Amino acid sequence: EAGVVQSPRYKIIEKKQPVAFWCNPISGHNTLYWYRQNLGQGPELLIRYENEEAVDDSQLPKDRFSAERLKGVDSTLKIQPAELGDSAVYLCASSLGSSGTYNEQFFGPGTRLTVL
Amino acid sequence: GQSLEQPSEVTAVEGAIVQINCTYQTSGFYGLSWYQQHDGGAPTFLSYNALDGLEETGRFSSFLSRSDSYGYLLLQELQMKDSASYFCAVRASGGKLIFGQGTELSVKP
Repeated sequence: EAGVVQSPRYKIIEKKQPVAFWCNPISGHNTLYWYRQNLGQGPELLIRYENEEAVDDSQLPKDRFSAERLKGVDSTLKIQPAELGDSAVYLCASSLGSSGTYNEQFFGPGTRLTVL
Repeated sequence: GQSLEQPSEVTAVEGAIVQINCTYQTSGFYGLSWYQQHDGGAPTFLSYNALDGLEETGRFSSFLSRSDSYGYLLLQELQMKDSASYFCAVRASGGKLIFGQGTELSVKP
């Protein structure tokens, strides 16, 4: 069974440029998460989707970040314009659900973003 | 506020036992998870404790005391491949995971 797929794996851009990350979750997983992980830190949740609906985006900097999950499957996270402080690893994760019995989150390999 | 504390780094030798502690202060606590992350890799799930007590999975065990807001991960018979970062993460309301800063484990020969 394929795991969570993310692309690109690495991205280097200049500040003020736009950038987009793509994630394809594990088949059948209704819940999709985007995390940001700064160097030497733990992942921090940016947004959580239940199917197509963004149910928790309280940590998403909405002035420059946007996300979508059309058709409730794959998802795109966009930053426009990027700032130097956005350099981090952007992780996508998926799970069968997010409530009730604990559902393990499966993480993708991440996209390492460097903003110059 | 919500916070988790764990040691930033731990060093041990092959074959030894190491314990990584985690204390937390969060609202809406449902359980404590542990994840392993090798350098440049994806975090991978190790264990989850919703109730007090010890959960054992092979060489790894995880403990939770809800009354003390404390848990630990115990790694036995350490191997070189166990060198990685280990994160405790609180499961909060809505299935949200709040991660600690991570503990970098170095296993020496």
